[in-house]
Amino acid sequence: DTAVSQTPKYLVTQMGNDKSIKCEQNLGHDTMYWYKQDSKKFLKIMFSYNNKELIINETVPNRFSPKSPDKAHLNLHINSLELGDSAVYFCASSQEDRGEQYFGPGTRLTVT
Amino acid sequence: QKEVEQNSGPLSVPEGAIASLNCTYSDRGSQSFFWYRQYSGKSPELIMFIYSNGDKEDGRFTAQLNKASQYVSLLIRDSQPSDSATYLCAVNSRVGANNLFFGTGTRLTVIP
Repeated sequence: DTAVSQTPKYLVTQMGNDKSIKCEQNLGHDTMYWYKQDSKKFLKIMFSYNNKELIINETVPNRFSPKSPDKAHLNLHINSLELGDSAVYFCASSQEDRGEQYFGPGTRLTVT
Repeated sequence: QKEVEQNSGPLSVPEGAIASLNCTYSDRGSQSFFWYRQYSGKSPELIMFIYSNGDKEDGRFTAQLNKASQYVSLLIRDSQPSDSATYLCAVNSRVGANNLFFGTGTRLTVIP
C-alpha cells in the first residue's frame, strides 16, 4: 500500500510555463510538507501544512504556492518556471505531535 | 554556520564491519533527531529517530545522542552491501511544528 504518493514522477517543461505537482497521503497524518532537493542532493524544507493551514513558509519565491484541498492532499503549484527550479521535489507527511516524516517518491522537475 | 553538518564521505567499510556516521547540529533547542537512508534516485527513508540522550538500538542500527555536545551518530553493525546509500541526518527546529533541517548526507559504500 502506498503511504505517500506523488504525481507526476517526471516533469519536463519550458521556462515560463506553469505546472503543478500533486501529493496524497493515506497515513492519516495531519501535517504535510514540500521539500526541494537540488543537484548537490541538499534537501530543504519549502512549506508545511497543518489541518489546511500554512504554518511554515520558508523563503521561497512566491511563484511557488502550496494548495491543500483536504488533510490528505497537498499540491504544489509553480508559476513562471525558471531554469533554477530544476530539482527533485519531495512531499512528506507526519503527525503533528510526532516528528517522524515519511516521504513520497519524488518528482523530478526539469526546466528547459 | 550550517544548521546540521555531516562528513560528506565517501565512507567505505568492508562487509561485516561497523559503519559509524556522525552529525553535529547548531541549535541547542533541538529536540528530535532523525536518520534517513537515501538510495540513488529514491526518496529518503526513515530508519531511526531519537529524542533522549543515550543510545537507541533497532536491529543492526544504533542511534546515539549527546545533547551537551550537540552530536548525534548512527552505527550500523554487520554492514551489508545493501546498506550502501547516502545517510541523511535531520534535526528539528524550534520554529514551527516539526520543521526539519537536513545535513548534506554521508555516502556509505559497503565493500563485499
